[in-house]
Order: sequence, then structure tokens, then C-alpha cells
Amino acid sequence: QVQLVQSGAEVKKPGASVKVSCKASGYTFTGYYLHWVRQAPGQGLEWMGWIIPNSGVTNYAQKFQGWVTMTRDASISTAHMELSRLKSDDTAVYYCARGEVQLGLDNWGQGTLVTVSS
Amino acid sequence: EIVLTQSPGTLSLSPGERATLSCRASQSVYSSYLAWYQQKPGQAPRPLIYGASSRATGIPDRFSGSGSGTDFTLTISRLEPEDFAVYYCQQYGSSPITFGQGTRLEIK
Repeated sequence: QVQLVQSGAEVKKPGASVKVSCKASGYTFTGYYLHWVRQAPGQGLEWMGWIIPNSGVTNYAQKFQGWVTMTRDASISTAHMELSRLKSDDTAVYYCARGEVQLGLDNWGQGTLVTVSS
Repeated sequence: EIVLTQSPGTLSLSPGERATLSCRASQSVYSSYLAWYQQKPGQAPRPLIYGASSRATGIPDRFSGSGSGTDFTLTISRLEPEDFAVYYCQQYGSSPITFGQGTRLEIK
């Protein structure tokens, strides 16, 4: 079955960077988009962008351009999302999700809590 | 950017009742690429509906989606205790992908 397993919780200081990983299994990693979505405590869902694992092409939401970097290592079916210059309001659960053109985001990782605190 | 507005913000109903959740888009959603997700506390969103009206794998038939253009609806025909959660709509037909702010379905 399709699984997306994310790396563990992180605590970072303001100004630092964080890198979250997402390991896929149960399907052809290069055949689907890989999206990142975040959710601040008590808030709604915010789309950050996607990466095409086959080519490495990315598309970031305008808000995150210049401070998010999405990469992938297709040899180990793993995607990464790095967010730099962290601020306290970047404290959130970060999700990866498989994307399919017609199905939307059809499988989600379990989420990674990133806490930014001095 | 397509803005999705969900209503109501909170819906209070009893098990066995029918729930109707609305999602209105600021402009037409391309090819009805509109999805609904259910989220419970501490869990990742669970896909319910894609393409405005198709149920995702394993979703009970009490969940149904309808609509096109700018107006979409999620209907839960007979509420079960496990259906009380937050529901989000999402459009994925144009970039950036956007989500509604959510509707909280609570037990009356």
C-alpha cells in the first residue's frame, strides 16, 4: 500500500533552517507529484508547493519563494523540504502528500511538527 | 489565486442527521478539480472526494460531493459518531493550490 513516512519532530531557533524528509513506498515514486502542506497550531491548511520527482522541477507558492527549497533523491524514493530563516510563526505541522492530476492529494504523510522557539 | 470560502464555520448536528457543507470559489474551478478532506485532531487530512463528486478509495457512500464552476457541496447523508471532525475543500485545478478555511462539524 502507498505510504509516506516523514522524519521526526524538530525544534529550531529563530533564523535557523529545517529540513524535513518524506520517504515514499508502495508506488512508483517518479510517477506522481509530491506536495508540501503546512498547518499552524489551530489553523487551516496552507499549500507550500510541489516537486516532480522525475525531473526535480518545482513550483512554490509565491509566499514561500526564496526561502523554501524542495528536493528529491529518486534513488531512495525520498523528498525533502527545507525552510530557511525560520520565524516563530513557522511553527507548524508540515505534511508531504502525493499528488495526482485528477485525484488531488490522495495520500498524506503523518506530519512533522516543527517548533521554532528561542 | 482562487479563494475558497466555506460555510458554515461550525455546524452542530446530531448523529443520524444530514450534514450539508458549502464551498464557494472566487472564480471557476478548472475541470471541477475540487477535493474534500476530513481532519481529526492530531491526524493528517483524509481524502474524501476528488473531482467534485468522486469518492476516494474506501470512503463510505454516505459521503457525496456535488457542484461545478464556483459552487460545491459536501453532503453526509446520515451522520455517524466518527464523522464529527473538520472538513476542508481544496481546488487543485490551478496554481497556487488553495484550501478553504474549514468547517467544524460538532456534535449537538
